[in-house]
Formats: sequence, structure tokens, C-alpha cells
Amino acid sequence: AQSVTQLDSQVPVFEEAPVELRCNYSSSVSVYLFWYVQYPNQGLQLLLKYLSGSTLVKGINGFEAEFNKSQTSFHLRKPSVHISDTAEYFCAVTPRNSGNTPLVFGKGTRLSVIA
Amino acid sequence: NAGVMQNPRHLVRRRGQEARLRCSPMKGHSHVYWYRQLPEEGLKFMVYLQKENIIDESGMPKERFSAEFPKEGPSILRIQQVVRGDSAAYFCASSPPGSQSYGYTFGSGTRLTVV
Repeated sequence: AQSVTQLDSQVPVFEEAPVELRCNYSSSVSVYLFWYVQYPNQGLQLLLKYLSGSTLVKGINGFEAEFNKSQTSFHLRKPSVHISDTAEYFCAVTPRNSGNTPLVFGKGTRLSVIA
Repeated sequence: NAGVMQNPRHLVRRRGQEARLRCSPMKGHSHVYWYRQLPEEGLKFMVYLQKENIIDESGMPKERFSAEFPKEGPSILRIQQVVRGDSAAYFCASSPPGSQSYGYTFGSGTRLTVV
């Protein structure tokens, strides 16, 4: 079975500052990794995903994430945040080549961007 | 191309009543997943369905909860005899067949309040 740990439940950051949201996963098999964003009172929107190949993946809204197999991490970063990035961010994992095994999500990190 | 449609957006039920939550997947998507979101707990998988089949219901409570995805019409998550602890946001997601790496498209959720 897979599990996801998001180490920070809340991250406050000033506007235009860089941010990193941490995600570690546990799995005995290879996995696909995802980051989703949830704005208030909305559903989740896919930010980016790691499937294979380059360990640095770029997503929408200027976000990127780096897959580190040895540290079983998939941290999300943005060099300069905007007020509009205030939202909750979820890391998720599913085992590779396992059919449509449901995604397992972390508990989320609430990013608050301060003007 | 409409996304995943969930209705109602908000649902208030008294203890002991039934709640019916509906989800229409994206066009071309035949896989439907239901998740429940509680504050500070992230998204918990409940059930995974394909047309007329329940594939994985390992996250579904054994009593009072049921789900279906008929040949025609939306997927339905049904909660009988609701209790206060059922108050949560319920999200539906869909994906195309044979595309584990696709990730999911989420609906905007149904927020159930039990009074």
C-alpha cells in the first residue's frame, strides 16, 4: 500500500517570496506522483504530475516539482508567489502499471500568501 | 466539453434522513471515484466504479453507504440514516479508461451538512 505525508499543514509566505511545499511518499513499488490545488469551495485541479523521465516537472501557474527517488520525495516549488496562489495543495500517489488503482492523497498543505 | 458535474452543491439533511449525491463524469470518462474530505484530514478514498460495476469499495463504510454507476445516468452516492459525523465535502472524480497516468478530473463537490 502507498501513503503520502505532507510535512506542513500550513505555510504562510509573503507575496513574491519563494515557497516549497514538502511531500514524502511510501511505496514498495514504482509510483506516479501528482500535485493538486484546491481553491476555496472548489474541487481539485491538477497542477503537475511525474510519470517518468526528467525528475523536474513543470506545471501550471509557474509551479514545478522535483522527484527524488532516494529520498522518496516530490516537493512542490514556486520562485515567486502571488496572492492568487492562496489555496490548499495536495500531493497524491498511485502505483505504476496497476490499472486504475485509486489515488492516495496526503492531508494537504494550506498556503497563505500575505501581501 | 463540460467537466465533472456534481449536484447538489450544498445539501442539508436532518439526522436519520437519506442523502443522495450525484456525479456525471466528463464525456468519454468511464471511471468514477468518490472521495470524502473532512477538515484537517485530506481526501479519503471511498469507492471506485465503472459502468454497472463496483471495482473497489475498500474505503466505503460497511453500513448506510452505497454507490452505483448505472448504464445510463449519473453515478449516485447514497447515505442512509445520516448522522452528524457524515457532514463533509464529497468529491467525485473521473478518468478515461486505461489511463492511470492521466490523473483525475474533479467535480466541485457536494457539501453535506447534517443537522
